[in-house]
Amino acid sequence: EPEVTQTPSHQVTQMGQEVILRCVPISNHLYFYWYRQILGQKVEFLVSFYNNEISEKSEIFDDQFSVERPDGSNFTLKIRSTKLEDSAMYFCASRGVRGNNQPQHFGDGTRLSIL
Amino acid sequence: AQTVTQSQPEMSVQEAETVTLSCTYDTSESDYYLFWYKQPPSRQMILVIRQEAYKQQNATENRFSVNFQKAAKSFSLKISDSQLGDAAMYFCAYTYNNNDMRFGAGTRLTVKP
Repeated sequence: EPEVTQTPSHQVTQMGQEVILRCVPISNHLYFYWYRQILGQKVEFLVSFYNNEISEKSEIFDDQFSVERPDGSNFTLKIRSTKLEDSAMYFCASRGVRGNNQPQHFGDGTRLSIL
Repeated sequence: AQTVTQSQPEMSVQEAETVTLSCTYDTSESDYYLFWYKQPPSRQMILVIRQEAYKQQNATENRFSVNFQKAAKSFSLKISDSQLGDAAMYFCAYTYNNNDMRFGAGTRLTVKP
């Protein structure tokens, strides 16, 4: 069964550094998402992306965040200048186009640790 | 604002027994989608079951079924014949346009052998 893959599985970064989290969505999917989950808390929506532009973003997704689909397969989340509170699990998800009832399929996540 | 509430932070069930996890949500929309996701200790997010609000029939996937009460805005998950592998965090999720998915705080399910 096709999967959403995320790399790396664990990223450790110094505070203030830039970090790029990578995702390869399922190949025929066109809607892409990033979520984050701070340890012990609920999963929170960050951003959705369709047709090479952001469809929706949450209040968490401020100017230090950006997303990009640099080629036909990757979908990246960049955090420009990381803060301690950015430490979390980041999930990428994708879904197909046959109606809004298609479920979002999640990757295994990238654990981001900011030191 | 759409919110999702899971009032049971923890639940436990004996192996082979049945357990029901509760979820309520708040929305002014009439057409939307509800999901249950499972997150085992490995922290993957695995889709368990989904329900379209316009469908009156409750969704079923093998041992997993839902009790969808639209008027009450309730969406509970029933796990029958519980197995050790069912132990995980379970998240209820809501979306009306499948963009901004809102999750509940989760219920940690323990399965006792």
